[in-house]
Amino acid sequence: GENVEQHPSTLSVQEGDSAVIKCTYSDSASNYFPWYKQELGKRPQLIIDIRSNVGEKKDQRIAVTLNKTAKHFSLHITETQPEDSAVYFCAATDNSGTYKYIFGTGTRLKVLA
Amino acid sequence: ETGVTQSPTHLIKTRGQQVTLRCSSQSGHNTVSWYQQALGQGPQFIFQYYREEENGRGNFPPRFSGLQFPNYSSELNVNALELDDSALYLCASSPGGQETQYFGPGTRLLVL
Repeated sequence: GENVEQHPSTLSVQEGDSAVIKCTYSDSASNYFPWYKQELGKRPQLIIDIRSNVGEKKDQRIAVTLNKTAKHFSLHITETQPEDSAVYFCAATDNSGTYKYIFGTGTRLKVLA
Repeated sequence: ETGVTQSPTHLIKTRGQQVTLRCSSQSGHNTVSWYQQALGQGPQFIFQYYREEENGRGNFPPRFSGLQFPNYSSELNVNALELDDSALYLCASSPGGQETQYFGPGTRLLVL
């Protein structure tokens, strides 16, 4: 069945360093890849997304890259700050009309001050 | 513009009971998806409603059912609760035909 693998499960970085989270998807029909940030006890919040016709997208300190051939996509956070500490989820969906999301298992990011 | 809201925020039930969770979609959104998020896991797709019709379902048994109303709000019903149903239940709304989903704060269900 459809699957999204996410690595690493936990990531600790020093404030100001970069963080990279990687996901691999199985369904070659997937064409939309959102990333969500979930702080403890709060709702998942969309932070960036990418569609399959684009290889890279950037929004200030956050960027996402997509390799359709390898079925990989990655989240890059530069100049990390303590408020970036949260659990990050990648997801993949397709355009079958349902747009159901298959989520990764999450990465707990800790930014150490 | 009002975001996605859910009620109740927390709920405790016993095994075998039934529960109804509610979701109000964001203004202008006619599609609602429901997800189950077990502790330490990513959300898992339960089903989606579009214009009051079920529009896709994940690997959940029939005791998980739903409704969508003309104002696009939605309910998730779970019958014959099991201990493993303890989780955070999230709903997400989106404008029809668009991929981006906006999540509500969730309902945390504990089954004893």
